[in-house]
Amino acid sequence: EAAVTQSPRSKVAVTGGKVTLSCHQTNNHDYMYWYRQDTGHGLRLIHYSYVADSTEKGDIPDGYKASRPSQENFSLILELASLSQTAVYFCASSPDTSAETLYFGSGTRLTVL
Amino acid sequence: SQLAEENPWALSVHEGESVTVNCSYKTSITALQWYRQKSGEGPAQLILIRSNEREKRNGRLRATLDTSSQSSSLSITATRCEDTAVYFCATDASSGSWQLIFGSGTQLTVMP
Repeated sequence: EAAVTQSPRSKVAVTGGKVTLSCHQTNNHDYMYWYRQDTGHGLRLIHYSYVADSTEKGDIPDGYKASRPSQENFSLILELASLSQTAVYFCASSPDTSAETLYFGSGTRLTVL
Repeated sequence: SQLAEENPWALSVHEGESVTVNCSYKTSITALQWYRQKSGEGPAQLILIRSNEREKRNGRLRATLDTSSQSSSLSITATRCEDTAVYFCATDASSGSWQLIFGSGTQLTVMP
């Protein structure tokens, strides 16, 4: 079964600090994604990647950077964390484009104080 | 306005009852997906229905797709307490964009 693991599971950060969220997949999928979920809302795409060493902007990239050093790993970086970035972040992978299944990790709950 | 939207926002049923969640979308699509998200977990896909399909089943789940009215439904029969979750529909935004767009979800509570 497809496996996407995220770390940490939860994190508390200070405003203005740097935060790195990590994601690792063992699915051998080309596509990886970072989504943000706010309470009571759906998921919004932040960044995605379809090949190592390349990332693309999603719908809400401002304030976030992404890094894809290998096919298996995809990181989301908040250089200067802000209160508005408090949310749950999900990583996902898929074998191909949007018309295929996304396999999600369990999420990272980020609280910025 | 959202490109995909579920309704109702929330609903409750008793175990054994059937329930239907509806989804409306605003773009032409190649496929529509239904996901379920249990508390503390990531979303998990339930059904993927392509634009040339009208109905798809997966055990107790049945999804329909009507591209003319840009709507879909997900029905669950013989509900169980473990079906309690948020249910999302998600569509690919066509016109060259591959992104999967999620609605805000329907909170389903199944009571004993």
